[in-house]
Parts: sequence; structure tokens; C-alpha cells
Amino acid sequence: DADVTQTPRNRITKTGKRIMLECSQTKGHDRMYWYRQDPGLGLRLIYYSFDVKDINKGEISDGYSVSRQAQAKFSLSLESAIPNQTALYFCATSDGGLNAEQYFGPGTRLTVT
Amino acid sequence: LAKTTQPISMDSYEGQEVNITCSHNNIATNDYITWYQQFPSQGPRFIIQGYKTKVTNEVASLFIPADRKSSTLSLPRVSLSDTAVYYCLVTDKLIFGTGTRLQVFP
Repeated sequence: DADVTQTPRNRITKTGKRIMLECSQTKGHDRMYWYRQDPGLGLRLIYYSFDVKDINKGEISDGYSVSRQAQAKFSLSLESAIPNQTALYFCATSDGGLNAEQYFGPGTRLTVT
Repeated sequence: LAKTTQPISMDSYEGQEVNITCSHNNIATNDYITWYQQFPSQGPRFIIQGYKTKVTNEVASLFIPADRKSSTLSLPRVSLSDTAVYYCLVTDKLIFGTGTRLQVFP
């Protein structure tokens, strides 16, 4: 969905490096989410934010941190990347409550060597 | 925690109706049931959402029994382009589960 963009789309990094994945949205939604997807597995929630001042841990937040710089921007950081963080990362946005439809970005493929 | 259970995979042929069932025994009163579709290397896309009984849109139908402990996504007359992974989501803790991989054959 072009309304949700993620940068970079692909990234290869080395163990121990700090890396930031960025997400921007033009849908005007208050709620933003970061998920990771591993081969053969579903999406797992890392962090989510209901508004600029709100940050919540998801199912697998260890090893990650986030920053909600503005309503439209939500960044995910890996302070010290490790190989098992190699995955496909998706950002999503939604309006309203938890039952609201989520709009996903195109994903960032991250490889940690 | 409202987790869901779905078949890992299903096969079908073009033109057939496909029904994918999701079990969600611990669904809470306020939870809705939402289904997403995901193609390889793309983000999931919303298909349909419901709370109880039946919901229908231009893409699919969703059947939810009175006890709401399960739901069935029905795709009428599937085509090759319906080959994807389908996720059942109970909107408690935003848990997607592993999804059902649907393969449609000619």
C-alpha cells in the first residue's frame, strides 16, 4: 500500500551493528505497529503505538526499541543486531480501536550476517 | 490470550468454493474476528471482519456461530490469484498465528 512506506526495503548488516528501520504513513492514522515475519511463520508483533506519546511492547520486543517521532512516523531500531533477527519486517497503521483494519507497508527484508 | 488455530495448508482447484476454519476458543466479548490475505513478499491485506452470524462482501463471506469459538472464511469460486496465506486474527493482542497456505490449481 503506497500510503505506508518503509525504508530501506532491503538491508544486509553485520552482527553487533545498530540499524534503524523507518516507517511513514500518509493515512492520518493514530495507530502504528511493527511486526516481524520469519519463513513459515506468521506475523509476530514487536511494538505498537496508539499515538505519539504512547508506546507498547508486543509479543517479541526484546532486542528492539522504537521511536514515534510524529503521527506519521514510527521507527524500529535494533541496537545490536544478531543473526536471529534476520527476518521480514512489516509496519502497519490503523485508525480507531484494536478491531480496526490494519494497512501494511511493503516490508523490509533484513539480513544479519 | 486469544490465540487462533488454523489448518496449515489447503489445496483447491479453480472454480471451487474454499472454506477455511479458524478456532479461537478464548475469544473475549469485545473481540472481533478479522481475516487477512498475504501474497509472498507483500504485507497482509484485509479481507473481511465480523462479530457474529454472517458477513459478506465482494470478496468473501465470514460465518461465525453463536458461541463465537470458531469462524469460517468462505471464498467462492477461487482462481489461481487466490493462492496466498490467509490469517485469522482475533483482535485481543494482535496475534496473527501461522495462517493457512491456500494453493489453487488449474
